[in-house]
Amino acid sequence: AQSVSQHNHHVILSEAASLELGCNYSYGGTVNLFWYVQYPGQHLQLLLKYFSGDPLVKGIKGFEAEFIKSKFSFNLRKPSVQWSDTAEYFCAVNPSGALNFGKGTSLLVTP
Amino acid sequence: DAGVIQSPRHEVTEMGQEVTLRCKPISGHDYLFWYRQTMMRGLELLIYFNNNVPIDDSGMPEDRFSAKMPNASFSTLKIQPSEPRDSAVYFCASSTGSRNTEAFFGQGTRLTVV
Repeated sequence: AQSVSQHNHHVILSEAASLELGCNYSYGGTVNLFWYVQYPGQHLQLLLKYFSGDPLVKGIKGFEAEFIKSKFSFNLRKPSVQWSDTAEYFCAVNPSGALNFGKGTSLLVTP
Repeated sequence: DAGVIQSPRHEVTEMGQEVTLRCKPISGHDYLFWYRQTMMRGLELLIYFNNNVPIDDSGMPEDRFSAKMPNASFSTLKIQPSEPRDSAVYFCASSTGSRNTEAFFGQGTRLTVV
């Protein structure tokens, strides 16, 4: 079945630690890939997106993601997290018109 | 633009009652999506519209759920009758279409059915 998998459900990091959140998808063909963030009590906001070209995509707030086609992956990274990055992070694929989301990764950054 | 506007922000209702959630998409967006978010199932796509026409409603859980988009600036999601397992946060989102454009989300409606 077509799906988006996020392997880390809960991540706890100290400030200044590096972050990598995994995302794998099982859709065939051309896909468009997204990472959204949901801060506590708020709606989803776009962090970054990949359609084509350079597989290393830079987004807002120092986040970046790398598309590796051979691994069907689109992992999210940030070299040094801040307390304000505490949020839920969703990977999404748009194969045909609507976003299909992974189940999300809850990130807690401790001071 | 004020973004995607949803109402109400919170709804508490008794089991068996009808619930109507409302959404105003961003002006000029021709795609509108309804999602449901729960701890167990994450973000699920319920239905989406293109130019006010429902394109895919395969995510609508049961016949108790229905959605309409009478015009480009308004959509409703109705649950009748509501059940406790419908408790969730319901998000509306809109986009300009095509697969490579981002969707903009509303603040959501937190529904509690008691």
